[in-house]
Amino acid sequence: NAGVMQNPRHLVRRRGQEARLRCSPMKGHSHVYWYRQLPEEGLKFMVYLQKENIIDESGMPKERFSAEFPKEGPSILRIQQVVRGDSAAYFCASSPPSPGYNEKLFFGSGTQLSVL
Amino acid sequence: AQSVAQPEDQVNVAEGNPLTVKCTYSVSGNPYLFWYVQYPNRGLQFLLKYITGDNLVKGSYGFEAEFNKSQTSFHLKKPSALVSDSALYFCAVRDGAGANNLFFGTGTRLTVIP
Repeated sequence: NAGVMQNPRHLVRRRGQEARLRCSPMKGHSHVYWYRQLPEEGLKFMVYLQKENIIDESGMPKERFSAEFPKEGPSILRIQQVVRGDSAAYFCASSPPSPGYNEKLFFGSGTQLSVL
Repeated sequence: AQSVAQPEDQVNVAEGNPLTVKCTYSVSGNPYLFWYVQYPNRGLQFLLKYITGDNLVKGSYGFEAEFNKSQTSFHLKKPSALVSDSALYFCAVRDGAGANNLFFGTGTRLTVIP
């Protein structure tokens, strides 16, 4: 039973390019969360999605960032026109359908984005 | 609004000694509290959670945490530290009256000295 899978593990982009980060949740999970971890900082919530719906995007920057979780395929976090400040570790987590408040999240190993 | 504070960026403890990693929280509704651990270049791993019931919660790897409602705290503890416990520890909270996302503290780096 594979866990939460994120790819790529490391992603290098030049300023102005686009970054696409992928997350496949655990089998049977239909809720996905994206977090960003900046150096020496904690995890900052970005967005919470279920299949084909964005539930909460209160942590997403207003510009250049978008996320989707289509009916088929992985969840995608997309960053357009990357800047050096986007360099961070991006973590995806998943939970089962209809997660209650007591439900724990299962995390992937993250994607380390480096912007040159 | 929900928030979590981990007042110590770094905690050092000698192997075999008890350890405590502090966490305080603020929520509007009932708190749902979690501890996660992160090893280098890895994702977060769940350690334990408090939902309701006994204030002392036991989790993985011999860790436990004590929920204190009056002090709004949820400190992580272990009676005898191991060198392998050295990692980054995150406290997290869900607000029972708010959104379903999990809100994390800034993390505490625990170093266990042989």
